[in-house]
Amino acid sequence: GEDVEQSLFLSVREGDSSVINCTYTDSSSTYLYWYKQEPGAGLQLLTYIFSNMDMKQDQRLTVLLNKKDKHLSLRIADTQTGDSAIYFCAVAGYSTLTFGKGTMLLVSP
Amino acid sequence: EAQVTQNPRYLITVTGKKLTVTCSQNMNHEYMSWYRQDPGLGLRQIYYSMNVEVTDKGDVPEGYKVSRKEKRNFPLILESPSPNQTSLYFCASSQYSGQEAFFGQGTRLTVV
Repeated sequence: GEDVEQSLFLSVREGDSSVINCTYTDSSSTYLYWYKQEPGAGLQLLTYIFSNMDMKQDQRLTVLLNKKDKHLSLRIADTQTGDSAIYFCAVAGYSTLTFGKGTMLLVSP
Repeated sequence: EAQVTQNPRYLITVTGKKLTVTCSQNMNHEYMSWYRQDPGLGLRQIYYSMNVEVTDKGDVPEGYKVSRKEKRNFPLILESPSPNQTSLYFCASSQYSGQEAFFGQGTRLTVV
């Protein structure tokens, strides 16, 4: 089955850029997603990219997809303390979404 | 407002006492699924349903049952809960499999 890997922890200072990385194994995946989970809350969709795209920008968020290397990244520009959360990469297969274990982003003032 | 509603949000129960966690969506989505979230393990899929009366096992189905008698509801049933089912559970729905998933707020279950 699909395997999705993420680094577990990232710490940045407020105002810096954050880059969260994700690798996956199934090259036939169609949609790839980034979800955010704040403490005590469910998962909220941040953004997604279709597999025929290389890049997608949405305000402070930039998603890069390297299909050859099966590598997905999420860049958050001008990171704020409110961005502190767990970020999940998710890859769509035929019948399911497979999630990475999540990257905890800690933003310090 | 488009949403996925789970109940209860918190539940403490004893080993062996049957329980049901309800999940309802108001978006007319075809696809619904259940996940459990455990520290260090991320989200793992328990069961999913592509449509009414169609359910399939996910990665960790042991000890769980589901049913999909109506499009909007997808309850998760634990016939005989055990302590290793202590976890945070999420229900999710999407228009079709693989598309944007909407998540409920989660149910924190403790089995003692």
